[in-house]
Amino acid sequence: GQSLEQPSEVTAVEGAIVQINCTYQTSGFYGLSWYQQHDGGAPTFLSYNALDGLEETGRFSSFLSRSDSYGYLLLQELQMKDSASYFCAAGRAGTALIFGKGTTLSVSS
Amino acid sequence: DVKVTQSSRYLVKRTGEKVFLECVQDMDHENMFWYRQDPGLGLRLIYFSYDVKMKEKGDIPEGYSVSREKKERFSLILESASTNQTSMYLCASSSATNEKLFFGSGTQLSVL
Repeated sequence: GQSLEQPSEVTAVEGAIVQINCTYQTSGFYGLSWYQQHDGGAPTFLSYNALDGLEETGRFSSFLSRSDSYGYLLLQELQMKDSASYFCAAGRAGTALIFGKGTTLSVSS
Repeated sequence: DVKVTQSSRYLVKRTGEKVFLECVQDMDHENMFWYRQDPGLGLRLIYFSYDVKMKEKGDIPEGYSVSREKKERFSLILESASTNQTSMYLCASSSATNEKLFFGSGTQLSVL
């Protein structure tokens, strides 16, 4: 079947670095996206990797390795406002994104 | 900014009722999607559409149908609501050439 696996919860302190891993198993895979969702809010797009390697956007970076069916989201200089759920999502040819179950990140002071 | 608007934030319906969830986007996007979100299950794809009057089943289409008569509007229909359809429903849109999805704020549907 098609699925994405990511940890259910991660905790960290302000200023730290956190990595959220995602492994995927999908047919027709063509790219990995990351979305952030605060409690009660809508998911918002963070990043997209179509090719192997690292994409950096400010404090957030995302990595993809197609050969390993693996990617991660790296959050640096964590802030309290980064407490949210993070979803990886795989692009699939001929259909729409399939999402992982989400990782709840809790940042404490 | 792209805006995706869902008609209701909260909705309470009875089992067996026909339910319409409406979604409108204002950026002339070709693609529109309906997902449902349940605790511990993430977002699951119900239906999507790449063009007007066109629809495709997602991963969990059973018990749902959709309508896309105009480019900006994508409706999700529960023909006969059941309690297991109690969920948060999220609409999203994207352009034909961009992977970035824009989501609405969601409709929390309770079926009693």
